[in-house]
Amino acid sequence: SQELEQSPQSLIVQEGKNLTINCTSSKTLYGLYWYKQKYGEGLIFLMMLQKGGEEKSHEKITAKLDEKKQQSSLHITASQPSHAGIYLCGAAFNYQLIWGAGTKLIIKP
Amino acid sequence: DAGVTQSPTHLIKTRGQHVTLRCSPISGHKSVSWYQQVLGQGPQFIFQYYEKEERGRGNFPDRFSARQFPNYSSELNVNALLLGDSALYLCASSFQISYSGTEAFFGQGTRLTVV
Repeated sequence: SQELEQSPQSLIVQEGKNLTINCTSSKTLYGLYWYKQKYGEGLIFLMMLQKGGEEKSHEKITAKLDEKKQQSSLHITASQPSHAGIYLCGAAFNYQLIWGAGTKLIIKP
Repeated sequence: DAGVTQSPTHLIKTRGQHVTLRCSPISGHKSVSWYQQVLGQGPQFIFQYYEKEERGRGNFPDRFSARQFPNYSSELNVNALLLGDSALYLCASSFQISYSGTEAFFGQGTRLTVV
């Protein structure tokens, strides 16, 4: 079965610093999604990547899908307290989204 | 426009009982999916419904069932509750049946606690 591995599991970053979260698949990705989740709440859509080499940005968040389409990275520039939360990557596979376990991001003031 | 709405937001049930969770998708969306998220893990796919028909089922026991109504809202039913069913249950709606190339919108979830 297809699996997604996220790294790191958790991250504590000083406010204002940059950070990167990775998502690796054992198989080719045909659609990679990044979502953010506040503790115990629903998921908020961030980015969707479909083509190898694709890169998208929204405000201070940039996501990339590598050429071989088996890994994606999420980069946050100049982190802010509002960036704190759990970041989840999901891969489209048939009629469902397979999810990574999430990366918990804590921003230190 | 209203987003995906789920009810109830929180629920406490006793082992062996039955529970029904409800989801209303975004207007115009015909696909609804259900996920179970245990604390500290990513969501696990339970069901997908499109046009009132089941179009996908995850690796969950037959105690889990769902249906979709003519107005595209959906119910998730769980029978004979176990302690391990305690989780956040998430509903997602999308315009298309497949998630390739389309965004899924999530509700706030129903927190189920089985005691």
